[in-house]
Amino acid sequence: GNSVTQMEGPVTLSEEAFLTINCTYTATGYPSLFWYVQYPGEGLQLLLKATKADDKGSNKGFEATYRKETTSFHLEKGSVQVSDSAVYFCALTQGGSEKLVFGKGTKLTVNP
Amino acid sequence: DSGVTQTPKHLITATGQRVTLRCSPRSGDLSVYWYQQSLDQGLQFLIQYYNGEERAKGNILERFSAQQFPDLHSELNLSSLELGDSALYFCASSVARAQGEKLFFGSGTQLSVL
Repeated sequence: GNSVTQMEGPVTLSEEAFLTINCTYTATGYPSLFWYVQYPGEGLQLLLKATKADDKGSNKGFEATYRKETTSFHLEKGSVQVSDSAVYFCALTQGGSEKLVFGKGTKLTVNP
Repeated sequence: DSGVTQTPKHLITATGQRVTLRCSPRSGDLSVYWYQQSLDQGLQFLIQYYNGEERAKGNILERFSAQQFPDLHSELNLSSLELGDSALYFCASSVARAQGEKLFFGSGTQLSVL
């Protein structure tokens, strides 16, 4: 079945550091890929998405590129801020399937 | 504020009991989804309703049931509770049937089974 694997956390960075959170997936065909973010005490929010190979999703300085050859959708940001501290979830859904499959989440803490 | 309202925010109960979690979707959204978030299992999809009808089922136990009412709010019923049911339960909504569309999540109900 479809699955998503994220890098184990937690990740701790200093402000203005470069961020990469790895995400790889297993799916047949061409899934849509998502990154959701969960700030402390809140529900998940969609951060960005990509629906086909080589698409780049971007939002709030975060980017992720849909790489079919490596089945990856790594999240990157060039310069993190304290306000980016949250849990990040990679997810996929497949055409015809109603099920959104999430990774286990990666907790990011950014220190001033 | 996502526009999705979940009540209660916290619930403490004992094993063997039954509880009901309530969710009001965003205005205009026809789909409601329930998820369970725990430390060991991560975020697990339980069930989806679209305009009152069950649309998709995930890893939902037989002790759990849900429904969506004509006014589109939804309730998740958890019965014969076990310690392992302690988790954060999220409701999400979207305008469309397919989960590929953007989901809006509520803040969750934290269930503690003692």
